[in-house]
Amino acid sequence: DIQMTQSPASLSASLGETVTIECRASEDIYNGLAWYQQKPGKSPQLLIYNANSLHTGVPSRFSGSGSGTQYSLKINSLQSEDVASYFCQQYYNYPYTFGAGTKLELK
Amino acid sequence: EVQLVESGGGLVQPGRSLKLSCAASGFTFSDYYMAWVRQAPTKGLEWVASISYDGGSTYYRDSVKGRFTISRDNAKSSLYLQMDSLRSEDTATYYCTTGAAPYWFAYWGQGTLVTVSS
Repeated sequence: DIQMTQSPASLSASLGETVTIECRASEDIYNGLAWYQQKPGKSPQLLIYNANSLHTGVPSRFSGSGSGTQYSLKINSLQSEDVASYFCQQYYNYPYTFGAGTKLELK
Repeated sequence: EVQLVESGGGLVQPGRSLKLSCAASGFTFSDYYMAWVRQAPTKGLEWVASISYDGGSTYYRDSVKGRFTISRDNAKSSLYLQMDSLRSEDTATYYCTTGAAPYWFAYWGQGTLVTVSS
């Protein structure tokens, strides 16, 4: 199975700040990566697919990048509504695997 | 508008069975791969199983292989998860999910909680 190592596990940032979350795969996943946002008590929501494609309706302050085994999610100009947990997911191979998550809080 | 509505969760004893259902609407169900993803309380997301457009291909994580069966009824726009020989570690909220491609999950239901406990 492909292991997804996500960092940091938690993050505290101020409004307007730029935040970066990283995901490292245990092998090359050839951009087969998605990012999700999950707010407390809610279902996950897709943000990014194919490592850098923005899902419909997602604000442009979210962006994804990376290749090979290293990927990142960047949130520009942090807003209060961005407080949530974020998960990466690889879909290059079954079983699909998720990172352990990053909990983003406001400082 | 895409809607996925899960049902069938509840409290069940270890070793017993439970069947989850997901009613889909707002899209052509037979054009989409479908999947179940679960989340144990206060934990991360875990992919459980996926099924192809016509149900001809199914995929499972190792820990549920032989115990869980994913199936679909395209005439009823419904997805199912038959869970047998349930274990305490199967306790989680189970989400029905799909996307424009078989790989990422653009649409999610609200989830149904399965608690395995004596």
